[in-house]
Amino acid sequence: EPEVTQTPSHQVTQMGQEVILRCVPISNHLYFYWYRQILGQKVEFLVSFYNNEISEKSEIFDDQFSVERPDGSNFTLKIRSTKLEDSAMYFCASSERKEGRYEQYFGPGTRLTVT
Amino acid sequence: GNSVTQMEGPVTLSEEAFLTINCTYTATGYPSLFWYVQYPGEGLQLLLKATKADDKGSNKGFEATYRKETTSFHLEKGSVQVSDSAVYFCALTFRGDSSYKLIFGSGTRLLVRP
Repeated sequence: EPEVTQTPSHQVTQMGQEVILRCVPISNHLYFYWYRQILGQKVEFLVSFYNNEISEKSEIFDDQFSVERPDGSNFTLKIRSTKLEDSAMYFCASSERKEGRYEQYFGPGTRLTVT
Repeated sequence: GNSVTQMEGPVTLSEEAFLTINCTYTATGYPSLFWYVQYPGEGLQLLLKATKADDKGSNKGFEATYRKETTSFHLEKGSVQVSDSAVYFCALTFRGDSSYKLIFGSGTRLLVRP
């Protein structure tokens, strides 16, 4: 069964450093998402992406964040200058959104620890 | 605003017990509703969904009915197994939303003891 994959599974970085989190969505999906979950809190929407542009972003997704689909398979989330409060689990998701099939399929997540 | 409220966990049950995890929502329109499950060390997996009032979603023995009058989508299972131990998330989305983003509840941890 096709699945969303994410790398790395765990990233440790120092405050102020740039990080790039990588995702490979399901191959025939066209809609991509990033969510995050701070330990013990809700899963929160960050951004959605379609047709090579952001379709919606949350208040969390400020100028420090960016997303990119650099080739036909990868979808990346970049944090330019990490803060302690960026420590969280980051989930990538993708969706087909065709013929009523708009469920989102999630990757296993990347745990980001900012020290 | 739109939100989802779930019962606090953890919920601890013995094997073969009946499970209910409560979920209520606040929404400006008529959302689609989902239950996702997260097993230890894994990502979120779609468990079941319902797209309109009175729809019942079901999968792997779990069921939930979309109740517009009580704005609820409670998850039930008649006989839980140890392998059902996981965190369960209730979520909603709007089909008219440009992005179909998911709005999640805080999650409820279920622990099933043999």
